[in-house]
Amino acid sequence: QKEVEQDPGPLSVPEGAIVSLNCTYSNSAFQYFMWYRQYSRKGPELLMYTYSSGNKEDGRFTAQVDKSSKYISLFIRDSQPSDSATYLCAMNKGDMRFGAGTRLTVKP
Amino acid sequence: NAGVTQTPKFQVLKTGQSMTLQCAQDMNHNSMYWYRQDPGMGLRLIYYSASEGTTDKGEVPNGYNVSRLNKREFSLRLESAAPSQTSVYFCASSEPRTGHPYEQYFGPGTRLTVT
Repeated sequence: QKEVEQDPGPLSVPEGAIVSLNCTYSNSAFQYFMWYRQYSRKGPELLMYTYSSGNKEDGRFTAQVDKSSKYISLFIRDSQPSDSATYLCAMNKGDMRFGAGTRLTVKP
Repeated sequence: NAGVTQTPKFQVLKTGQSMTLQCAQDMNHNSMYWYRQDPGMGLRLIYYSASEGTTDKGEVPNGYNVSRLNKREFSLRLESAAPSQTSVYFCASSEPRTGHPYEQYFGPGTRLTVT
């Protein structure tokens, strides 16, 4: 079993939809939880960052962490075609562990 | 400020050939990393260097060697390439700061095909 599980999708939604992306993990020692966005043929870039359980909001993006369920989510409100990318969850306590990434397409 | 740069962008090798992937960062970061990205597997750490003069194995180090040439540069070498090393390779760097101890900055990647 992988330490971090992420549904690879692909996920296709119409412009303006609310998008929910999720990851589960098995290592309860993880404390830092991140979401990276990766455009096609580019390197990942950090999108959201949370420590321990709770919510964090940044514009149209909300990251949630539920440590009791070992489950993290990224919500995108009012999705735009420019949000089309692969979203990678990542978590860390010492070494970084990445999910496989979910490919999202937002159609105009 | 170029961030993290990688060369080459693309490379095709024959089985058994060797090559070195180059990485440089201009952000004065102490830590540098080499990852490979394969479909369905996500990013997997090959080697990392916590500071100049130190290197450590990551999750998938077999078949690779690294050199931390100085604070800016971190190279990855394939001594005898195998088809299983066909992948996209990313270099990253980081510098812990208050509230964001593990934020990593990635380069654009090197697409390597081994035939």
